[in-house]
Amino acid sequence: EAQVTQNPRYLITVTGKKLTVTCSQNMNHEYMSWYRQDPGLGLRQIYYSMNVEVTDKGDVPEGYKVSRKEKRNFPLILESPSPNQTSLYFCASSLGRINQPQHFGDGTRLSIL
Amino acid sequence: DQQVKQNSPSLSVQEGRISILNCDYTNSMFDYFLWYKKYPAEGPTFLISISSIKDKNEDGRFTVFLNKSAKHLSLHIVPSQPGDSAVYFCAARTTGGADGLTFGKGTHLIIQP
Repeated sequence: EAQVTQNPRYLITVTGKKLTVTCSQNMNHEYMSWYRQDPGLGLRQIYYSMNVEVTDKGDVPEGYKVSRKEKRNFPLILESPSPNQTSLYFCASSLGRINQPQHFGDGTRLSIL
Repeated sequence: DQQVKQNSPSLSVQEGRISILNCDYTNSMFDYFLWYKKYPAEGPTFLISISSIKDKNEDGRFTVFLNKSAKHLSLHIVPSQPGDSAVYFCAARTTGGADGLTFGKGTHLIIQP
């Protein structure tokens, strides 16, 4: 089954404790991205990657890092999480960048205390 | 400044009737538009898209209309079914610009029996 898998689905942690949210897709998609969803703000892009070793900032990259060492994986790293990063995070992938709909994972709810 | 606006946070429609969800955008560089549907505890699911070279795209019960001069698009669902109850996000992108989708804040569609 074609899917985008995120782990963990839920995480409660404390300020400053490094964490990684993994994202994996099995569709051989080139393009992957991370979004956060906050009440009243919709979804906002954090980082994206057009292919292996190619990443770039989205609209709200501060406090986040990503890496794309393999085509299927695109982890989101919070080196020193803060309470304002409490949010619902979605990973997405698509076959290409141009006019291709993105497929989303089921989300990761992070709570930073 | 919000570039994609969905001005109705919620919409209630009777089963069997037509649901019309609206979306306005301000960035004239957007040339590809998508609608996503989202159920609670799941990621957004791609529904239908339209390129700026078209003014209408149809897929079963779903039709998207694009009015470029008014910078407005709408999603029509006919007939509405109980399973259509979800949050609908309008999204847009520029083919030649920064990657990623710019999302609206979403409209919660409620189908009444």
